[in-house]
Amino acid sequence: TQLLEQSPQFLSIQEGENLTVYCNSSSVFSSLQWYRQEPGEGPVLLVTVVTGGEVKKLKRLTFQFGDARKDSSLHITAAQPGDTGLYLCAGGRRGGSNYKLTFGKGTLLTVNP
Amino acid sequence: NAGVTQTPKFQVLKTGQSMTLQCAQDMNHEYMSWYRQDPGMGLRLIHYSVGAGITDQGEVPNGYNVSRSTTEDFPLRLLSAAPSQTSVYFCASSYGTGTPRGYTFGSGTRLTVV
Repeated sequence: TQLLEQSPQFLSIQEGENLTVYCNSSSVFSSLQWYRQEPGEGPVLLVTVVTGGEVKKLKRLTFQFGDARKDSSLHITAAQPGDTGLYLCAGGRRGGSNYKLTFGKGTLLTVNP
Repeated sequence: NAGVTQTPKFQVLKTGQSMTLQCAQDMNHEYMSWYRQDPGMGLRLIHYSVGAGITDQGEVPNGYNVSRSTTEDFPLRLLSAAPSQTSVYFCASSYGTGTPRGYTFGSGTRLTVV
C-alpha cells in the first residue's frame, strides 16, 4: 500500500515557468518533509513542515502542509535548470518511541534552458 | 565535516556472493537507517537503528543483516546476493529518534548482482 502519492510522476518545463507538485495521503502525518535528489547523489532535505496549514518559503520554493496534515504541495516560481531533480516527499509519524518516515515515489522535474 | 560516508560507490557481485556495504557518520547521530531505491518503487526501508546495540527491521529486511556496535558505523551485510538485490542503497542518519528531524543521506552504493 502506497501511503504517499506524488503527482505528477514526471514534469518537463521551460526555464521561467511556474510549477506545483503534490504529495497526498489518506493518512495523517505529524510532519512532512521535502527532499531533492540529483543524479548519482543521495536526497538532500529542503524543508520540514509540522503544523497543519503551515507555509514555508525557501527562495523561489514554497511549501505548504495541508490543514488536515494529510497532504502537501511544493510550488516553484520561475523555474531554473538548476531546479532539475527528483523531488521526494516524506511523511513522518511516531511509531512507539521512534519517529518513522515514509517516502513517496517522487516527481522527476526537468527544467529546460 | 564529512556527514554520511558510504563505501563502495559501485559494486558488482555474482549470485550467491556475500558482501558488506559500509556506512559511517561523524555527526553523533543516534538514528541510522538503510534504504534501497528502485525505479518506480521509491525509497524502501531495509533496517534501522535508534542507537548503538539496537537494530530493527524495516519494510524489506529479507536477505540483509545489520549491526550497530558504535554510534558512528552501521554496516549492511548481504548474506547471499540475488539478482533481486540489484539496486541503489542509501544510508541515512538523523539526530533524534522521536522528533521530526531531517535525514542526512550518503551518496549511495550502486550494486549489481549478476
